[in-house]
Amino acid sequence: QVQLVQSGAEVKKPGASVKVSCKASGYTFTSYGISWVRQAPGQGLEWMGWISAYNGNTNYAQKLQGRVTMTTDTSTSTAYMELRSLRSDDTAVYYCARSPYLGWYFDLWGRGTLVTVSS
Amino acid sequence: QSALTQPASVSGSPGQSITISCTGTSSDVGGYNYVSWYQQHPGKAPKLMIYDVSNRPSGVSNRFSGSKSGNTASLTISGLQAEDEADYYCSSYTSSSFNWVFGGGTKLTVL
Repeated sequence: QVQLVQSGAEVKKPGASVKVSCKASGYTFTSYGISWVRQAPGQGLEWMGWISAYNGNTNYAQKLQGRVTMTTDTSTSTAYMELRSLRSDDTAVYYCARSPYLGWYFDLWGRGTLVTVSS
Repeated sequence: QSALTQPASVSGSPGQSITISCTGTSSDVGGYNYVSWYQQHPGKAPKLMIYDVSNRPSGVSNRFSGSKSGNTASLTISGLQAEDEADYYCSSYTSSSFNWVFGGGTKLTVL
């Protein structure tokens, strides 16, 4: 079935990096873009960035520029999000979400990956 | 502070209708028909309910409808049901940074 399956929860120390994966199935991976959206505990949704699964073009939220890298592996239909120099306020559930190239909405979401940053 | 402004909470009784507003600027909500709405139950991933202001994805109840006037978009839920109790988020394309922005979210309580 059509789904995005994310990697498991992570616990990291401040200053470390984390890489979260998002494996797509049930649809043509390169026909959509993938965004990453995070949600801190008890807070709202925050868009982090977008990557084209077709050509790898990216667009990152300004506040994360320089700390985040999004990539894809079309051979495995998997998207990745790496966040570096982690801080305590990066503690959040990280979602991957699919968007059509001609649409500004997210029609399919992963179940989320909890990343906890704690010393 | 979120780029789009939503009320923190709304409530209604079963069978009633409620409306959630989402206010932005001419650079986002007011300038483009790219507003979408998401429903999120506790501990779950968001679910697309409305896209492009007023379109419903397949499988979403027709009790959910969307509209826009000027810089404010609205989500209306008619015939409220207990299962509608959730957090709702609006989102829009923004030309100020060529990406997406979200509202702060609205908690819907079904009394």
